[in-house]
Amino acid sequence: NAGVTQTPKFQVLKTGQSMTLQCAQDMNHEYMSWYRQDPGMGLRLIHYSVGAGITDQGEVPNGYNVSRSTTEDFPLRLLSAAPSQTSVYFCASSPDRAEGYGYTFGSGTRLTVV
Amino acid sequence: KNQVEQSPQSLIILEGKNCTLQCNYTVSPFSNLRWYKQDTGRGPVSLTIMTFSENTKSNGRYTATLDADTKQSSLHITASQLSDSASYICVVKVPGYSSASKIIFGSGTRLSIRP
Repeated sequence: NAGVTQTPKFQVLKTGQSMTLQCAQDMNHEYMSWYRQDPGMGLRLIHYSVGAGITDQGEVPNGYNVSRSTTEDFPLRLLSAAPSQTSVYFCASSPDRAEGYGYTFGSGTRLTVV
Repeated sequence: KNQVEQSPQSLIILEGKNCTLQCNYTVSPFSNLRWYKQDTGRGPVSLTIMTFSENTKSNGRYTATLDADTKQSSLHITASQLSDSASYICVVKVPGYSSASKIIFGSGTRLSIRP
């Protein structure tokens, strides 16, 4: 089925470890982004990309890196995991960078840092 | 600071009953306001979208209303079903920006439908 695929669904990391959260979409969407969702808070933007080779920081970028080598893939890297990064991470895509279309979200990655 | 506030934080109703969820925002002006439904363990899914000039928008049993003067939106669910149990998120887009950094998410209302 077409959509946004995130892997893994669950992950436990030790403090200081690094890992990559994968995100892939097969809808040829130009726009992709990463959000984190914490209890009692709205989704917060980490990084986004308006096309292959172009990325930019969102609201809470510290501790995360991204790259966009292809239209389809937008991985999120945690450089040195900290307990404050325990959260649910969502990848989203949209056919354009403007407000004409909503976002298609992946099903999320639940990350626990111990 | 631009904010989107939702109430109540959580709500429990009996199956078949109606309910209304509230969203108050301080963003002004805004491009559009969306309501998303987020099932447990899933990503949000768009329900409705309204521009500042629209007052109401329906999607089946879901009806969203917008009062741009009071900066309030509501989502009314009619004849609730067990499958309506989810979080409902209000999202406001600030105009003049082409990036997602100016999309503001509310913290959501957790709705539980009891049989």
